[in-house]
Amino acid sequence: QQPVQSPQAVILREGEDAVINCSSSKALYSVHWYRQKHGEAPVFLMILLKGGEQMRHEKISASFNEKKQQSSLYLTASQLSYSGTYFCGTFNSGYSTLTFGKGTMLLVSP
Amino acid sequence: KAGVTQTPRYLIKTRGQQVTLSCSPISGHRSVSWYQQTPGQGLQFLFEYFSETQRNKGNFPGRFSGRQFSNSRSEMNVSTLELGDSALYLCASSLNGVGGKPYNEQFFGPGTRLTVL
Repeated sequence: QQPVQSPQAVILREGEDAVINCSSSKALYSVHWYRQKHGEAPVFLMILLKGGEQMRHEKISASFNEKKQQSSLYLTASQLSYSGTYFCGTFNSGYSTLTFGKGTMLLVSP
Repeated sequence: KAGVTQTPRYLIKTRGQQVTLSCSPISGHRSVSWYQQTPGQGLQFLFEYFSETQRNKGNFPGRFSGRQFSNSRSEMNVSTLELGDSALYLCASSLNGVGGKPYNEQFFGPGTRLTVL
């Protein structure tokens, strides 16, 4: 039941936008987004709950499409500090563990 | 507030040996989850402990075990190490745990990098 993230990697110039998708084959109850910089621990970004609103964290926002069983992370006007690997974790109805995708590597260059 | 701490940070072992990793959660957090991170596989869930009880377990062999103490500190043990066990082991603490309360954020420790030769 591991969610599928796309793209696997993306390279941006500072100021450009990016979208990272997270899809599940099972019904989603919540989606958790984390960012991990090289050599550091993953850091929590936001949680989206079924039936909840679109969330924002600084210039990063996310949506949750229950019908499509998908969440998308939107990075607007990317900054160098956005570089890292983004993980989505899904909590499926009927399950009680958070399952993470393989991650999307984002590199923002000057 | 002090963050999640893990010891040791680096460990080198040989095949067949066993290893114990330690995790101290954020003060007040009752849940500790363990993850294995390898290149290309992302974060693989090992198990979650809540108030000294294993609440959830991932799809790992019985060589992987853990426990949690009354002060919420947790240990993870891997017996009969294999080359494939080389990975970064992360623990994460949360107030009430992920299982049962899907809206709790987790705070990750820096991890223990285990190398099996």
